[in-house]
Amino acid sequence: DAGVIQSPRHEVTEMGQEVTLRCKPISGHDYLFWYRQTMMRGLELLIYFNNNVPIDDSGMPEDRFSAKMPNASFSTLKIQPSEPRDSAVYFCASSFHDRGHEKLFFGSGTQLSVL
Amino acid sequence: KNQVEQSPQSLIILEGKNCTLQCNYTVSPFSNLRWYKQDTGRGPVSLTIMTFSENTKSNGRYTATLDADTKQSSLHITASQLSDSASYICVVSSDRGSTLGRLYFGRGTQLTVWP
Repeated sequence: DAGVIQSPRHEVTEMGQEVTLRCKPISGHDYLFWYRQTMMRGLELLIYFNNNVPIDDSGMPEDRFSAKMPNASFSTLKIQPSEPRDSAVYFCASSFHDRGHEKLFFGSGTQLSVL
Repeated sequence: KNQVEQSPQSLIILEGKNCTLQCNYTVSPFSNLRWYKQDTGRGPVSLTIMTFSENTKSNGRYTATLDADTKQSSLHITASQLSDSASYICVVSSDRGSTLGRLYFGRGTQLTVWP
């Protein structure tokens, strides 16, 4: 398996523009997570899905952020409008339920820079 | 407040030497503790997962220990190699059901191995 695939690897945009990050989880995994990583705050959970259904979106910073998972093999994280403070590395991760021993498999991340 | 604190923040060692990274947590209730390795520009990769009843677990040259009474964990790296240069992140889960929705991340220890 190719692992969790994220695109794009790098995104540079101007403040106010819409940004869409994409993720393909590992086939067979029933959990999908979106994380944000910054130097100041480390890794933060934004939202996670189980069987394509959003379970907890309490980490989403504000209404400018939205995430969808239309099927088991694809998810998007959208920021509209983007702001400079959204600059960070965004990771997608997937896992399958294993009663306390689930391993998280991370993608390589999307480096987002909002100018 | 559920927190995970790691020390030191950064560490430089010479190739071939051993080192120990520390993790203290206040997460409650406790389910399991994980150590991840994150290479520059990549997503974190799982090294070990330990539950309440486990006090040590090895993965090659990596050995993690857990003292659930004092809420401390350590990651010992033996005979370090240049490829060990990375950030090491301690993660604690507090949800006994589906554990991945309640993960608390440390800020990581940045390890640099010099030749």
